Amino acid sequence: NAGVTQTPKFQVLKTGQSMTLQCAQDMNHEYMSWYRQDPGMGLRLIHYSVGAGITDQGEVPNGYNVSRSTTEDFPLRLLSAAPSQTSVYFCASSPLVGSGNTIYFGEGSWLTVV
Amino acid sequence: KQEVTQIPAALSVPEGENLVLNCSFTDSAIYNLQWFRQDPGKGLTSLLLIQSSQREQTSGRLNASLDKSSGRSTLYIAASQPGDSATYLCAVYQGAQKLVFGQGTRLTINP
Repeated sequence: NAGVTQTPKFQVLKTGQSMTLQCAQDMNHEYMSWYRQDPGMGLRLIHYSVGAGITDQGEVPNGYNVSRSTTEDFPLRLLSAAPSQTSVYFCASSPLVGSGNTIYFGEGSWLTVV
Repeated sequence: KQEVTQIPAALSVPEGENLVLNCSFTDSAIYNLQWFRQDPGKGLTSLLLIQSSQREQTSGRLNASLDKSSGRSTLYIAASQPGDSATYLCAVYQGAQKLVFGQGTRLTINP
């Protein structure tokens, strides 16, 4: 059981480039989400999804797009990378957040935009 | 807007001590509260989840309490060990799907 898998683990982008951070879970969880972690800021919610075909914005959605075509995958797209998007990105999944079920996090993706 | 604060930002104690980490939140209308552990370069590992109707949860040497009326939660670690060294994060569920995190407490247990 792999849990939540994120790729790539490290990435360096030039300003203006686009890329996709991949997230996959093999636990058949309905809920998936993306967070970014910055020094002194804690983790902040970017986007989340409660099932295939359903996505919604979190606290800091600007500059990011998501889609959820399958239960397993929840990719995060940066359309035109900016230095302010340099951060550590975490994907998470849960059967149903807030119902007493544990939420599972991936190992993180370190992104640097130069 | 919900704000979550963890004090202290960093804590260093000798092995064997009992210790308390603090978490406060501004909006008491929370769904649940969860404590996580994060090791350097790693993701988050769930430690304890306290549902809104509960006052505390225990797992091994860890005990977490929740007082919604005062907007506070504490994580108590008994008989600390060097392997407990990590960053501890508190998060409240703002609605059923959204977690709001504190900045974390970086804990170092000295042998």
